[in-house]
Amino acid sequence: DVKVTQSSRYLVKRTGEKVFLECVQDMDHENMFWYRQDPGLGLRLIYFSYDVKMKEKGDIPEGYSVSREKKERFSLILESASTNQTSMYLCASSFQGQDYTGELFFGEGSRLTVL
Amino acid sequence: RKEVEQDPGPFNVPEGATVAFNCTYSNSASQSFFWYRQDCRKEPKLLMSVYSSGNEDGRFTAQLNRASQYISLLIRDSKLSDSATYLCVVNDRGGKLIFGQGTELSVKP
Repeated sequence: DVKVTQSSRYLVKRTGEKVFLECVQDMDHENMFWYRQDPGLGLRLIYFSYDVKMKEKGDIPEGYSVSREKKERFSLILESASTNQTSMYLCASSFQGQDYTGELFFGEGSRLTVL
Repeated sequence: RKEVEQDPGPFNVPEGATVAFNCTYSNSASQSFFWYRQDCRKEPKLLMSVYSSGNEDGRFTAQLNRASQYISLLIRDSKLSDSATYLCVVNDRGGKLIFGQGTELSVKP
């Protein structure tokens, strides 16, 4: 079974703190993604990566950065957390190739509260 | 206009009912389409892909109408275990999936 593991299920941080959310996948997937999910807004793509050291902005990258130094690991960084970044953060991974099925494998999510 | 739009519901139906969800997408160049299911406090998981010819998986039928930019999911003989949020998903830009906000289904005994 594909496993996508997010480092923290629940975090509480203060405004202005730097926050790291880490994600590791064990299926040698090329693609990795960070989404946030908010009630009434659904899942919104923050950043994604097609390969090591590559990153592309999604729909809402402001206030976030990412790092992909190894194929299996994709980190989301909030340089200075703000209250409007309180959300559920979901990491996902997928294959890239001819038989790409559109299946994303998600981690269990990290619920971040910024006070 | 949102890229992928769904009726958020909730849809409250009795066991055994047939229920249909609709979804529209804005980009006519979209390539592929999917339905995901998300249980309460869980991560989304792929339910089924949606093919131009329509496709069926047990009690679930998915259909695509490219001319109208419309996707549907039909669930027959609803079970209590079908209660979840159903997410319409569009592959809009080659490998990047765009999610609708989801339609909540509650199946009651």
